[in-house]
Amino acid sequence: DQQVKQNSPSLSVQEGRISILNCDYTNSMFDYFLWYKKYPAEGPTFLISISSIKDKNEDGRFTVFLNKSAKHLSLHIVPSQPGDSAVYFCAASERRSSGTYKYIFGTGTRLKVLA
Amino acid sequence: NAGVTQTPKFRILKIGQSMTLQCAQDMNHNYMYWYRQDPGMGLKLIYYSVGAGITDKGEVPNGYNVSRSTTEDFPLRLELAAPSQTSVYFCASSYTGGTYNEQFFGPGTRLTVL
Repeated sequence: DQQVKQNSPSLSVQEGRISILNCDYTNSMFDYFLWYKKYPAEGPTFLISISSIKDKNEDGRFTVFLNKSAKHLSLHIVPSQPGDSAVYFCAASERRSSGTYKYIFGTGTRLKVLA
Repeated sequence: NAGVTQTPKFRILKIGQSMTLQCAQDMNHNYMYWYRQDPGMGLKLIYYSVGAGITDKGEVPNGYNVSRSTTEDFPLRLELAAPSQTSVYFCASSYTGGTYNEQFFGPGTRLTVL
């Protein structure tokens, strides 16, 4: 049962345009969401996050939007650059019974920005 | 800071062989994690550790063992390799285990079991 879903395996966008990556989740108890970016042969690196008490968080060209009623979040990249070409993972944070938190990762979306 | 380092980068094993994937971090993080990523799938947590001497199972622990004798090192042991363990393995660390625990990942080990 996939609690965090990224339904688009891939996305191509022209340089300078907006990239929108989507993520859906099923567990209303998730209270923190993150986006990670992964280049080939490297580990994922943290990009941006949002708490469930907010609906938007912005960091330079990257903005994450959270719609709790729809259980949906999206990552906007404006303007897109060729260096943004990577796989993007959405992750949600879930509290364990021990009190620590674990991440549930989506399957990733491969973004290709065309020059 | 080197961050999170993993060795080896690549390895091919025969069915039934054993090996240890090494992971080290120099950020003095208490929490460390092992994930695996299968093609077209997200990262699945194998084991995690909240500090030296303390480990616990994640979502997919079967076929693996871990130990955490120091804060810096968190090796992952495969005892009897099976084709189902063909995957890319990522080690990660974080300062805390709370909600806002940004995890730092190593570059991964690509393992093939034939």
